[in-house]
Amino acid sequence: QVQVVESGGGVVQPGRSLRLSCAASGFIFSSYGMHWVRQAPGKGLEWVAVISYDGSEKYYADSVRGRFTISRDDSKSTVYLQMNSLRVEDTAVYHCARDLYGFSSDYWGQGTLVSVSS
Amino acid sequence: QPALTQPASVSGSPGQSINISCSGTSSDIGAYKYVSWYQQNPGKAPELLIYEVTKRPSGISYRFSGSKSVNTASLTISGLQPEDEADYYCSSYTKSRTFVFGTGTKVTAL
Repeated sequence: QVQVVESGGGVVQPGRSLRLSCAASGFIFSSYGMHWVRQAPGKGLEWVAVISYDGSEKYYADSVRGRFTISRDDSKSTVYLQMNSLRVEDTAVYHCARDLYGFSSDYWGQGTLVSVSS
Repeated sequence: QPALTQPASVSGSPGQSINISCSGTSSDIGAYKYVSWYQQNPGKAPELLIYEVTKRPSGISYRFSGSKSVNTASLTISGLQPEDEADYYCSSYTKSRTFVFGTGTKVTAL
C-alpha cells in the first residue's frame, strides 16, 4: 500500500538549519510529484512547496521562498526539505504528500514536528 | 498568497445536509477547476475527499460532494453522521503555480 513517512524534525534555534526527509513506498515514486505542507500547533494547513515528478519544476510559498529547498532522490524514493534561516514562525508539523494529477494530494504522511525556539 | 476564507464552524443534526463555503479570488478558485477538499481528524493526517472541484477518490462516500461558482467553492455533506465531525479544508491551485489552503472549518454533529 502507498505510504509516505516523514523524519528529521526536532528542536532547533532560530537562524539554524534542518533537513526533513520523506520516504515513500508502495508506488512508482519517479512518476509522481511531491508536496510539503505544514501545520502550526492549533492552526490550519499551509502549503509549503512542490516538486515535479522529474525534479525539473519546484515551487514555493512566499513565506519560505529563498530559505527552503525541496529536492528528491528517486534512487531512494525520498523527497527532502532543506530548511535554512529558520524562524520561530516555522514551528509546525511538516507533512509530505503525494501529488495527484498536478493539482491535489492524495496520500499524506503523519508528519514530523519542527520546533524553532531559543 | 492569502488563505482562502472558510467559516470557522458549521453544525447540523445527524441526517441533515450541511454546506461549507470556500471563498477565493480570480487568481485561484476563479482561475481553474482545481479545488480540493480535505478532512482532518484530531492528531491525524488530512484525507482527500474531493479533487478537481467535483471528483471523489476511490473509497470516499458519495455523501461528500463539491461544486464551484465563480470565486467560491462549496463542500456539501449529505446525511450528516457523527463520524463526520472533523476539520475540513479547501485548497486551490493558483496562477502563481502555487497552492493555497482555506482557513479551515470545524464540523459538529449536534
